[in-house]
Amino acid sequence: LAKTTQPISMDSYEGQEVNITCSHNNIATNDYITWYQQFPSQGPRFIIQGYKTKVTNEVASLFIPADRKSSTLSLPRVSLSDTAVYYCLVGDNDYKLSFGAGTTVTVRA
Amino acid sequence: NAGVTQTPKFRILKIGQSMTLQCTQDMNHNYMYWYRQDPGMGLKLIYYSVGAGITDKGEVPNGYNVSRSTTEDFPLRLELAAPSQTSVYFCASSYDSVDNYEQYFGPGTRLTVT
Repeated sequence: LAKTTQPISMDSYEGQEVNITCSHNNIATNDYITWYQQFPSQGPRFIIQGYKTKVTNEVASLFIPADRKSSTLSLPRVSLSDTAVYYCLVGDNDYKLSFGAGTTVTVRA
Repeated sequence: NAGVTQTPKFRILKIGQSMTLQCTQDMNHNYMYWYRQDPGMGLKLIYYSVGAGITDKGEVPNGYNVSRSTTEDFPLRLELAAPSQTSVYFCASSYDSVDNYEQYFGPGTRLTVT
């Protein structure tokens, strides 16, 4: 499994855009990049996945450069309810996903 | 749909006791998983199953056992509980699509072993 590195924590304010960059230098050809969100005392929730370029859904955007050695999760106009831990995962099949410590995002008023 | 349900929500065990954590999903998913999450840490995969009758070890299987007799249920058995098994346990399920990495998680079981 490719190892991922992401910041331990990030602070933001309501209405701002939050960008979390994840490094995965050893990503393999078949690996997908997946992001999850976890609120306290809850199980993780799938946000977005991608293989290359840009993927957007109603919650976030995922930017993946051509070399795929990193990816950036973008959360537009965050609110207090976006305060959570965000996990970047890389793998070539879903039952081998490995969750690291994640990035704790704190949104302030 | 109820999604993934887990029982109990909380449990306190004494060292050496045994228990079964229950997990049920009503989405007809073939893939199911058990994770544990220690305080301030990410999730670690204990066991997984790709269908009824098929199970396999994950990253941290020692001290646990699983069975998968139906598509819906995936119980996790703890034998001879130890303090190191104090954790929050999450069950999850997913479709068996090769390119789909979306797992659906239950609310978790908080277990304390004293």
